Amino acid sequence: DTEVTQTPKHLVMGMTNKKSLKCEQHMGHRAMYWYKQKAKKPPELMFVYSYEKLSINESVPSRFSPECPNSSLLNLHLHALQPEDSALYLCASSPKGLGAYHSPLHFGNGTRLTVT
Amino acid sequence: AQKVTQAQTEISVVEKEDVTLDCVYETRDTTYYLFWYKQPPSGELVFLIRRNSFDEQNEISGRYSWNFQKSTSSFNFTITASQVVDSAVYFCALSEGYGNNRLAFGKGNQVVVIP
Repeated sequence: DTEVTQTPKHLVMGMTNKKSLKCEQHMGHRAMYWYKQKAKKPPELMFVYSYEKLSINESVPSRFSPECPNSSLLNLHLHALQPEDSALYLCASSPKGLGAYHSPLHFGNGTRLTVT
Repeated sequence: AQKVTQAQTEISVVEKEDVTLDCVYETRDTTYYLFWYKQPPSGELVFLIRRNSFDEQNEISGRYSWNFQKSTSSFNFTITASQVVDSAVYFCALSEGYGNNRLAFGKGNQVVVIP
């Protein structure tokens, strides 16, 4: 079982809906990440939070809005998505914040998002 | 330019055969880290190994082994005596410089182990 928990596992939403993806870890990790993965492609980094502060935004459209309420939780708020945003959204965490050594990422199982 | 190249897209092997996945990377940094991750059908990426640029020792972990050669910028991964549970996509990834932990992933190798 993965130690990074993502909910929901599957999500179908219309282009006018507002929904949120949730990610939780209780390993005391200080950096949390959102990745987007299209079918048969590698994951692409979207956002990184380090010590609960947004540290990296890889020029992601504003219809994706991340939030880190505390060190254990990471949300991704979705609004007015497009069908091309359909993908697997992966959350990850790493023990140390950015600026430390390159620690391995611990990934969740992902949320498979379909935008209709 | 692609920083991590995994040339073979899909590899099929019969159970108990060995399979080697090639990873060639490109960087100008002297300090960098290389990773291999496994992504089974369930979706999560599972960390397999991290190697820093100053440590060229090869590593063996059970049926998995890794061969790091800076001279050819390669970090190849071998699964010995493959099993059906090894069927997954395997990603090689590179992290450069200090502390931003950005991973440049290769395109991945889909390994199919046929019983």
